[in-house]
Order: sequence, then C-alpha cells, then structure tokens
Amino acid sequence: ELKVEQNPLFLSMQEGKNYTIYCNYSTTSDRLYWYRQDPGKSLESLFVLLSNGAVKQEGRLMASLDTKARLSTLHITAAVHDLSATYFCAVDIPGGTSYGKLTFGQGTILTVHP
Amino acid sequence: GAGVSQTPSNKVTEKGKYVELRCDPISGHTALYWYRQSLGQGPEFLIYFQGTGAADDSGLPNDRFFAVRPEGSVSTLKIQRTERGDSAVYLCASSRQAYNEQFFGPGTRLTVL
Repeated sequence: ELKVEQNPLFLSMQEGKNYTIYCNYSTTSDRLYWYRQDPGKSLESLFVLLSNGAVKQEGRLMASLDTKARLSTLHITAAVHDLSATYFCAVDIPGGTSYGKLTFGQGTILTVHP
Repeated sequence: GAGVSQTPSNKVTEKGKYVELRCDPISGHTALYWYRQSLGQGPEFLIYFQGTGAADDSGLPNDRFFAVRPEGSVSTLKIQRTERGDSAVYLCASSRQAYNEQFFGPGTRLTVL
C-alpha cells in the first residue's frame, strides 16, 4: 500500500525566511504533484513532477523530485504572508490498475508572519 | 474555460437520510475521480470513472456509497443511510484521461447531524 508522509505538519515562518517541506513516499513512482489549499477552498495545482531529477519553480516556490530516494521537496524562498496555506503532496503509481488515483500526504499548514 | 463544478456547495442532513452530490467535470475530460477530505487530513480516493464505467471503486468505504456517470460526463455520488462519520468535504476531480493532471472542483461540504 502506498504511503505518503509530509514533514513538518505545521510550519510557522517569518517573512523573508527560507524553508523546505519534505514529502516521502513508500512505493516506486516518478509521478508527484504539489497542491495548495486555502481555508475552505479546493485544491490548486502548483507543480507536476514526472521524472527523476525534475525541478520546477514558480515565484518563491521550487519543487524537486528524487525518485531513488522517494523524496520530493518544496522549497520556499523569502516567504511572504500570501504563501500562508496548507500544502499537499500527492503521488500516483504509473501503469497497472492505479488509473492515476492520487494518494495524498497529511498536508503541511504553513503560516507566514511578520 | 469552465473548471470542475460541484453542487451543492454545502449539504446538511440528518442521520439516516439519503444524499446525492453532483460533479460536472471539465468538458472533454474522460477521467473523473471522487475523493473525500476529513477535517485536517489530505483527500482520500473513493472511486474512479473512465467514461461511463467505474473502473476502480476500491476507495468506497462501504455499500452505502455508490456513484454513477451514466453519460460519461456528469457524475453523482450517492450516500444512503448517512452516518455522522460521513461528514467531510467531498471533492471531485477530472483529467483528460487517466494519469493526466487532475483538476479539482470546489467540493461539497457534507454535515450529518
């Protein structure tokens, strides 16, 4: 059974600081997704990582994937208040009968304060 | 273009009642997924449709839950004899086909009193 674990689960950051959220998963896969969720809202797609060594950047966020370590990171650079949200990573298993269904981590609640 | 839509946005019902939750996927998307998100948790997979057929319903918690997609577009998740433990946000997602990026709807918040 695929398990996805994120850490930390809670992250309180000062504006302007850098930090990294980690996402570990238990089964071989080269397909990992990062989503953002604001309170009471649905999931917004941030990054789609589909190969070992994939790195994508958007603004102050950068995501990477190491399929050999079964690890993805979401790096936050010079945090600003607008980044406060819950961040989820999700994995699907290619091929077979998984059909692309996603297994999510528990989420990381990020709060950025002055 | 229009994204995934879900109705109602909120549903409050009493224990034992029947509810239906509707999902309108993005036009042209053949793959449709239902997930359930409990408070403070990540979404959990319920069921996957490819076209009209449920290809994978392994995530449905029990036989009180059922879903249909009769014309390969709109899907309805049906819950019989609701229980308080069914309270959660039910999310629908669609993609062009299986294994493509999924786009999520706003969700239906179900509260069972």
